[in-house]
Amino acid sequence: DQQVKQNSPSLSVQEGRISILNCDYTNSMFDYFLWYKKYPAEGPTFLISISSIKDKNEDGRFTVFLNKSAKHLSLHIVPSQPGDSAVYFCAAKDSNYQLIWGAGTKLIIKP
Amino acid sequence: DTGVSQNPRHKITKRGQNVTFRCDPISEHNRLYWYRQTLGQGPEFLTYFQNEAQLEKSRLLSDRFSAERPKGSFSTLEIQRTEQGDSAMYLCASSPQVRDFVSGNTIYFGEGSWLTVV
Repeated sequence: DQQVKQNSPSLSVQEGRISILNCDYTNSMFDYFLWYKKYPAEGPTFLISISSIKDKNEDGRFTVFLNKSAKHLSLHIVPSQPGDSAVYFCAAKDSNYQLIWGAGTKLIIKP
Repeated sequence: DTGVSQNPRHKITKRGQNVTFRCDPISEHNRLYWYRQTLGQGPEFLTYFQNEAQLEKSRLLSDRFSAERPKGSFSTLEIQRTEQGDSAMYLCASSPQVRDFVSGNTIYFGEGSWLTVV
């Protein structure tokens, strides 16, 4: 039973446009959500996070939105750049300080 | 470079053989994690250490898997009697302390060790 789901295995976006990556979760006890970015042959690197008590967190071109009632979060990248092409993982922190990960979405930025 | 280091990066082994992976975390980090990742999936938690103490083990960690962190520095993950289902990337991560964990930005991952069991 997947507690964190990323339903889009891949997403293709034109350079300069907005990229929106989605993530759904089932456990209402998750108290922190994180986005990681992963290039091939490298480990995941932290991108941005949001506490469950907030609905938005912004860091430069990256904004994460949290809708607790819908158990949904999204990552917006504006404007998208070629270097953003990577696999993006959504992860949620549970009460035991463990991260539960989604399966990832491969983002392709087209020139 | 003082990031998380894992070796070997790639290992091909025959079914039934034992393999061992090593992880060198960032030096001042007391927490060390092992994850497993298969193609098309996110990382799955295996185990973690606080200094030399192994505090939690996932149900995924069968009795063929053992992890150690003898001096609270580097860690090893050994898989005995490997099976084809063990083929995956094994990721190591480290973080300085629990309360920094919540922000996420202090968890650092290594590049992973790919295991192929043939």
